[in-house]
Amino acid sequence: GAVVSQHPSRVICKSGTSVKIECRSLDFQATTMFWYRQFPKKSLMLMATSNEGSKATYEQGVEKDKFLINHASLTLSTLTVTSAHPEDSSFYICSARGGGGLYNEQFFGPGTRLTVL
Amino acid sequence: SQELEQSPQSLIVQEGKNLTINCTSSKTLYGLYWYKQKYGEGLIFLMMLQKGGEEKSHEKITAKLDEKKQQSSLHITASQPSHAGIYLCGAPSSGGYQKVTFGTGTKLQVIP
Repeated sequence: GAVVSQHPSRVICKSGTSVKIECRSLDFQATTMFWYRQFPKKSLMLMATSNEGSKATYEQGVEKDKFLINHASLTLSTLTVTSAHPEDSSFYICSARGGGGLYNEQFFGPGTRLTVL
Repeated sequence: SQELEQSPQSLIVQEGKNLTINCTSSKTLYGLYWYKQKYGEGLIFLMMLQKGGEEKSHEKITAKLDEKKQQSSLHITASQPSHAGIYLCGAPSSGGYQKVTFGTGTKLQVIP
């Protein structure tokens, strides 16, 4: 199946700093990418949907100025957590949906664990 | 908004036993995904069901979609320790598999 990578896999940062997480589709072009957040022992919550070359669509309750999403190419989307605080500590997972025969399936990255001290 | 309730929330079974996990939607299902996750890791795609009554199998895992009941079930036959993890169902929104709403998750432990 198609492969999606995330970088970094783990990051620890100080409160007030910004952190960028990359999501790449390695062997297909992703027309749409999704960013999810998972709290401990909880399910995944969709944060935003991004389409290449356009602004991301954020879910209700997600601060777009806090979580900046850039989908600059068909293989790369980035999530930047700005001025991170301890409550932003979480597991962030991206997924990518391709075109053509891959249209109906989402492929998930391995996730990034963010810890804000 | 759509909500997916999974039952049971957690399950402990003896190796070799069969088990079933259910996923019930509050709204019409336009398809359903099943994923497995080891906590703190990414999701592993298991299967996707697209039509009512559809049933798919992969190795010892079988999933079925009942559109009328707005429900899907995942059945594992002769469970093994490698089946342990968190199982998540996910429902795509209407109109071409856009965003996915995930279920509450079922944690499975298999005792050797």
